[in-house]
Amino acid sequence: SQQGEEDPQALSIQEGENATMNCSYKTSINNLQWYRQNSGRGLVHLILIRSNEREKHSGRLRVTLDTSKKSSSLLITASRAADTASYFCLETSGSRLTFGEGTQLTVNP
Amino acid sequence: NAGVTQTPKFQVLKTGQSMTLQCAQDMNHNSMYWYRQDPGMGLRLIYYSASEGTTDKGEVPNGYNVSRLNKREFSLRLESAAPSQTSVYFCASSGELHIYEQYFGPGTRLTVT
Repeated sequence: SQQGEEDPQALSIQEGENATMNCSYKTSINNLQWYRQNSGRGLVHLILIRSNEREKHSGRLRVTLDTSKKSSSLLITASRAADTASYFCLETSGSRLTFGEGTQLTVNP
Repeated sequence: NAGVTQTPKFQVLKTGQSMTLQCAQDMNHNSMYWYRQDPGMGLRLIYYSASEGTTDKGEVPNGYNVSRLNKREFSLRLESAAPSQTSVYFCASSGELHIYEQYFGPGTRLTVT
């Protein structure tokens, strides 16, 4: 089955700027989750948004969900060098779990 | 709490050899998962276990078998390794299948020559 799509594939910004990543999916979802992966490490859960929610916040993270467009976005505000990582969305639908291919974020000091 | 642990961290196999990857969680989670991650890609689900005593195929199950030994442990077996199985393998667990966030182990880097 085809994985979800994320864009951009890579994003390079300066410290203090905001970073926005997008995820498109193909089916009706139970929820959509965002994860971070530092190089060579396991994934760390950031935020989960349910299909009946439109926006969630957690610290400097803001996630939106548009079920009519089958898309979600992750906004990281006031980015830091420590935010440098790959970011993945995960759509859960019925018994299916599908990760996106990820966005590589580089935050330059 | 250790969270999710995986052994070994690294492994090199020759084509045709077999091995078992071990995974354990101490969070009393019902559901456990095995994924593989190839360079520059997202994770693909190999097998999952919704609860103790049950296992189901994911997106890429061919060439693998799993055992949910008890609530804590979920192992992944490669019966006859192939170079196409060179990858990083991650185990994860969650409170309930698909409803809650997943917690990941550190991964096993497997090379098949």
